[in-house]
Amino acid sequence: DTGVSQNPRHKITKRGQNVTFRCDPISEHNRLYWYRQTLGQGPEFLTYFQNEAQLEKSRLLSDRFSAERPKGSFSTLEIQRTEQGDSAMYLCASSLGGTVWGQDTQYFGPGTRLTVL
Amino acid sequence: AQKITQTQPGMFVQEKEAVTLDCTYDTSDQSYGLFWYKQPSSGEMIFLIYQGSYDEQNATEGRYSLNFQKARKSANLVISASQLGDSAMYFCAMREGFGTDKLIFGTGTRLQVFP
Repeated sequence: DTGVSQNPRHKITKRGQNVTFRCDPISEHNRLYWYRQTLGQGPEFLTYFQNEAQLEKSRLLSDRFSAERPKGSFSTLEIQRTEQGDSAMYLCASSLGGTVWGQDTQYFGPGTRLTVL
Repeated sequence: AQKITQTQPGMFVQEKEAVTLDCTYDTSDQSYGLFWYKQPSSGEMIFLIYQGSYDEQNATEGRYSLNFQKARKSANLVISASQLGDSAMYFCAMREGFGTDKLIFGTGTRLQVFP
């Protein structure tokens, strides 16, 4: 069973540039989540999709952030006009959905580490 | 107020010994779920164990068990027979109520297992 994959694993960019990350969920999972993790902190929720529908967005997700899951499979997270404060690990997770509430376990990918210079 | 509190920034345990990692949570919902994840230095979050608010028995998964005390709002992770490979960050997380699927994480506890 292939797990959640994320690309790239590392990204270094200059302030003001746009970056895009990709997440491929576990194949039969219809829910997909994005989290951000800064040094010394736990992951913070950004947004999530059920199939192609974006169902919830955190207030952390400023206008510079946009996420898509156009065909209900892979997802992309784009950050426009990056700032140094965007430097973090961006984690993607997926879950099966449609199970008993609460037991729908989220399985995480290896993350994309973004460094903004 | 913090929703998930992990008060132990770091813990040490000798190989083959048991260790308890503390987690307290804050919610007014009756329905919620509690999760523990392990994060090795590679960065990937690995699911360990789940406890539902209505579950009457403490959850167990192999060497992991969850000491769930609902009245005290605590969900401590117990790792029995620690192994060197257990050295990692451990995060407690909660999913609250209906209508949201997001997980709220604590700040984590770094566990180091020594020979």
